[in-house]
This record gives sequence, structure tokens and C-alpha cells, in this order.
Amino acid sequence: KQEVTQIPAALSVPEGENLVLNCSFTDSAIYNLQWFRQDPGKGLTSLLLIQSSQREQTSGRLNASLDKSSGRSTLYIAASQPGDSATYLCAVRSVGAGSYQLTFGKGTKLSVIP
Amino acid sequence: NAGVMQNPRHLVRRRGQEARLRCSPMKGHSHVYWYRQLPEEGLKFMVYLQKENIIDESGMPKERFSAEFPKEGPSILRIQQVVRGDSAAYFCASSPRDREEEQFFGPGTRLTVL
Repeated sequence: KQEVTQIPAALSVPEGENLVLNCSFTDSAIYNLQWFRQDPGKGLTSLLLIQSSQREQTSGRLNASLDKSSGRSTLYIAASQPGDSATYLCAVRSVGAGSYQLTFGKGTKLSVIP
Repeated sequence: NAGVMQNPRHLVRRRGQEARLRCSPMKGHSHVYWYRQLPEEGLKFMVYLQKENIIDESGMPKERFSAEFPKEGPSILRIQQVVRGDSAAYFCASSPRDREEEQFFGPGTRLTVL
């Protein structure tokens, strides 16, 4: 059974700092991994999707990497801004039974202090 | 192209009542997924549907919960005889094909059971 862990659970940084969020998963047989952003009381916004054959994806100030063999992904945020404050979720889509579903971590709550 | 739509956004029910949550997928998407986010928990998969078919309901509680995606109209998640433990945010996602494709999430329905 796939399990996804995100560390740290919460992170507070001053504006302008570069930061890294971590995600690990127990079963390396995955189709893809997605990073989402969730604002309080709101839905999920997809940030980056990495296919299992890819090593990284970039969008603006965001860069996500994937090391499938070690079961790890990182989300790098450059030059953080107060508007980046949100909960960041990592989710994997596993091969095999239940392959339709995404398995989510509990998220990292990011606060960027002006 | 409108995103995934869910209604209502907020729903209050008393114990024993029925709750009906609606989800309209993105245009051109024929796959719908329902997830539940309990307080302080990560999102958990509930059910995966295609038009007129339930593909995987392994995450659905065995009693009181049902889902459908008719040929015409939105997908419906129905909870009968609600209990306080059903209070959660319910998210719907859609995709054009399964497996490699991204899942796009709606804003969620926040159910409160009094």
C-alpha cells in the first residue's frame, strides 16, 4: 500500500528566501507525481506534474524534482513571496491495483513572512 | 473553458438527513474522482467513475455512501443518514483519460453535520 509523507509539516520563512519542501513515497512503481497548492478553505491548484520517466519540471519560480528509485520528490521555491503562503500537497499515482487514485501526503503548511 | 464545478460550496445538515454533492467535470473530461478531506487529515480517495459506470469504489464507506455519474448531468455523491463524522471537505476531480493524465480539482464542498 502506497504511503506518502511530507516533511516538514509546517515551515515559516522570511520573504525572499529560497526553500525546499520534501515528499517521500514508499512504492516506487508510480505513473506520476503531482504537487498541489491549497489555500485555506479553497480547492487544490495543480502546480507541477512529473511523469515517472522525468527527473524534473519547472514553472516560473517553482522547480520539482523526482527520484523514483529512492521514492523522493522535492519542490523548490525560489525567492519566496507572502503570496506563496499556503499548504503544499504532494500526490502520487501508483501502478497496479488502485492506479486510478492519487495518494496524498498530509501537506506542508508554508508561511512566508513579509 | 470552465474548470471543475462543485455545488453547493457549503452544506449544513442535521444528523440523519441526506446530503447530495454535485460535480460537473471540465468540458471534454469523462473521468470523475471523489476525494474526502477530514479535519487535520490528508485527502483520501473515495470513488472513480466514468459515464454510467463505477470503476473503483474501494475508498467508499460500505454503508450510507453512493455515487453516480449519469449519461447526462453532473456526478452525484450521496450520503444518507449523515453523522457528525461525515463532516469534511469533499473534492471532485476530473481527467480526460486515466493513468498519465493530470487530475483537475474542483473547489470542494464543505459538509457540516450538526
